[in-house]
Amino acid sequence: QKEVEQNSGPLSVPEGAIASLNCTYSDRGSQSFFWYRQYSGKSPELIMSIYSNGDKEDGRFTAQLNKASQYVSLLIRDSQPSDSATYLCAVANQAGTALIFGKGTTLSVSS
Amino acid sequence: GAVVSQHPSWVICKSGTSVKIECRSLDFQATTMFWYRQFPKQSLMLMATSNEGSKATYEQGVEKDKFLINHASLTLSTLTVTSAHPEDSSFYICSARGAGGFTDTQYFGPGTRLTVL
Repeated sequence: QKEVEQNSGPLSVPEGAIASLNCTYSDRGSQSFFWYRQYSGKSPELIMSIYSNGDKEDGRFTAQLNKASQYVSLLIRDSQPSDSATYLCAVANQAGTALIFGKGTTLSVSS
Repeated sequence: GAVVSQHPSWVICKSGTSVKIECRSLDFQATTMFWYRQFPKQSLMLMATSNEGSKATYEQGVEKDKFLINHASLTLSTLTVTSAHPEDSSFYICSARGAGGFTDTQYFGPGTRLTVL
């Protein structure tokens, strides 16, 4: 059974701080990794995708991937109260035909 | 780009009736669509995967005769919950994956909240 593990949280950070969200996965053959944000009562929205080892930056968001350690993370700089949501880590299966989702980490940013 | 719509956004029905939910990719052709269900405070649960023009593949434990999926075109997939019961009340979300480029990126619709009385 392929798995994606996330700390459920809640992760609480003050406004302006860096929030660090972590994810590990079991399928060593996975090649594609995604972070989705889900607000309460809403559907997930794609934040970032990452395919290669290293860092990928997009605005205040940085995704980090380490395939050797089977680890992917998301850093949110200058956290805002509007970033308060559940963040889902998703890993594509080896065939690239489906995504395996973690249970999500709830982030709370206090003003 | 990559917009997915769902209709209706919410529906209330009586026990025993059937409900159809539509999922459309508005600005791209979706070779594959996925249907998820999410109960309160739980993560997404994949119900089935459908490819245009072929039968859907259901996840273990999902009744294919109860949750009918049709993916008749590259922009439309439908999920019909037949003989709905209160335990089917949930948030149903579709996602779509296009052709070309990184084909494993899924874009989600806004979801349909089903309440069965």
